[in-house]
Amino acid sequence: GQQVMQIPQYQHVQEGEDFTTYCNSSTTLSNIQWYKQRPGGHPVFLIQLVKSGEVKKQKRLTFQFGEAKKNSSLHITATQTTDVGTYFCAGLGNTPLVFGKGTRLSVIA
Amino acid sequence: NAGVTQTPKFRVLKTGQSMTLLCAQDMNHEYMYWYRQDPGMGLRLIHYSVGEGTTAKGEVPDGYNVSRLKKQNFLLGLESAAPSQTSVYFCASSYSPGTGFIEQYFGPGTRLTVT
Repeated sequence: GQQVMQIPQYQHVQEGEDFTTYCNSSTTLSNIQWYKQRPGGHPVFLIQLVKSGEVKKQKRLTFQFGEAKKNSSLHITATQTTDVGTYFCAGLGNTPLVFGKGTRLSVIA
Repeated sequence: NAGVTQTPKFRVLKTGQSMTLLCAQDMNHEYMYWYRQDPGMGLRLIHYSVGEGTTAKGEVPDGYNVSRLKKQNFLLGLESAAPSQTSVYFCASSYSPGTGFIEQYFGPGTRLTVT
């Protein structure tokens, strides 16, 4: 079945450093979504990418969808302590949304 | 709008006991989902529903049953709980993919421990 791999599993950064998480699907996706889960909380939708090569920005967050629609990335510029949490990608193909295992981001002040 | 609510928030069961988790949404969403989240495993889909009266299996359906008798409610049942079902359970809902708005809205979760 469809699989979505996400790396790295953990990332520890100093406040102000950049952070990137990568997502790869075993199959071509119709779209990809990104979610953030704060410690002890529930996943919250961040963004959806639909078009091949699409790039979207939300303040310090930049999301990219690969040309082949099989990979995606989330880049955070100048991390802040409020960025702490786990970031999940989720791919939609021929099956219901499949979530990656997430990247847990820790920010050291 | 309450969004997606889940009851109970916490529960401890003994092996072999049964229980039902209730999910309710007030956004008139067609689709509803049950996930379990275990450390390092991400979110795994248990069952989902594409409309009232319909259900389908997800990635890890064994040991669980579901029902969607009303559009706003999605119930998850454990007939005979096992320690392997210790997890955090999230319910989510969304519009149908055909609308183009398919972000999932998650409930606050139910932390279940089976001893």
